Amino acid sequence: DTGVSQDPRHKITKRGQNVTFRCDPISEHNRLYWYRQTLGQGPEFLTYFQNEAQLEKSRLLSDRFSAERPKGSFSTLEIQRTEQGDSAMYLCASSLAVREEQFFGPGTRLTVL
Amino acid sequence: AQKVTQAQTEISVVEKEDVTLDCVYETRDTTYYLFWYKQPPSGELVFLIRRNSFDEQNEISGRYSWNFQKSTSSFNFTITASQVVDSAVYFCALSGQDSGGSNYKLTFGKGTLLTVNP
Repeated sequence: DTGVSQDPRHKITKRGQNVTFRCDPISEHNRLYWYRQTLGQGPEFLTYFQNEAQLEKSRLLSDRFSAERPKGSFSTLEIQRTEQGDSAMYLCASSLAVREEQFFGPGTRLTVL
Repeated sequence: AQKVTQAQTEISVVEKEDVTLDCVYETRDTTYYLFWYKQPPSGELVFLIRRNSFDEQNEISGRYSWNFQKSTSSFNFTITASQVVDSAVYFCALSGQDSGGSNYKLTFGKGTLLTVNP
């Protein structure tokens, strides 16, 4: 069990560019979550997958954000036309359907210049 | 709507002191779960404990203990004989079956920065 992994760990981009992040959950976990954390705040829920189905999206997830989880394994989070306000740590977590605790990856820190 | 309040923004103690981190929550759900996570300077959130709303027994794990009081909607966390390695941001979180769905998303407090000085 290697834990949740995320790639890249850091991303610096210019405003207006598109970025894509990847999350690999713990292998037997069928639930996958994306959160966003800004400085001095707790993580905020963005979206959730059970297997390959995206079951909920937060109001925080504007039309510029899209997430996928093909085949119910890894997930990607894409941000189009990035804005400076998108600068944050993007966290991925996974859990087993019958357990409630979520295990988090190390996060991807996005800086939009 | 669910809400978690961690009123203590920062706490500073000297090594070996006991310290309690407060957490107060709001939810309309009858079934819910409470969590504590630790976020050390490296940034990765580490799961510490989960409690469900039907289990009000306090729990002790080594130097850590948790006090769940449903009557006051509180789930406080105590570190006994603190150590420098305990320095981190600690988050309290809540999940439950919001009306209209049950996705078990976590609602986090803003966190408490604990600094343990040698």
